[in-house]
Amino acid sequence: EDQVTQSPEALRLQEGESSSLNCSYTVSGLRGLFWYRQDPGKGPEFLFTLYSAGEEKEKERLKATLTKKESFLHITAPKPEDSATYLCAVQAGLETSGSRLTFGEGTQLTVNP
Amino acid sequence: DAGITQSPRYKITETGRQVTLMCHQTWSHSYMFWYRQDLGHGLRLIYYSAAADITDKGEVPDGYVVSRSKTENFPLTLESATRSQTSVYFCASRKDRALPSYEQYFGPGTRLTVT
Repeated sequence: EDQVTQSPEALRLQEGESSSLNCSYTVSGLRGLFWYRQDPGKGPEFLFTLYSAGEEKEKERLKATLTKKESFLHITAPKPEDSATYLCAVQAGLETSGSRLTFGEGTQLTVNP
Repeated sequence: DAGITQSPRYKITETGRQVTLMCHQTWSHSYMFWYRQDLGHGLRLIYYSAAADITDKGEVPDGYVVSRSKTENFPLTLESATRSQTSVYFCASRKDRALPSYEQYFGPGTRLTVT
């Protein structure tokens, strides 16, 4: 069974204080690892897809990296508008499994001004 | 570009009633999905559809019915609502499986309360 564990559950940072969120996964045949941002009362917003170990993606203050067992979402010099819940998800197995994603429970990030 | 829309955004219903949540996408994506999001469980897949008239169960399908007669619509029906189905429901879509991008795009959600 595919499993995704995110840590920490919640993280409070001061504006400008860089940090990382962790996503550990156990899957059979990783096809892709995804990071989403979710604001209160809204649907998840796609951020990145990582396909293989060693891959990195960047967007503004966010950088996602991938190893064979985990992914990190690095946040550099965060701003209050980066406050949100960050979700990690994996797609594994055969294409016939329907592209299903297995999600972690998320890390709730709060950035104080 | 409207993307994915869901209706209603909020719904209160009584135990035992039938309720249908609507999902519409304007991208002509092949795949569509229904998830529920609950504290302590995260997002869980209810049903998905690979194309019109092709649907399959996800992780938590009991008590739900789906149909997909048109590519752009994927309604989710609770045949006889129960309190345990109180949740936030998200619809999502994905491009054709022939493409390398597997990311899913989500709608704004429907908050359903069953009393």
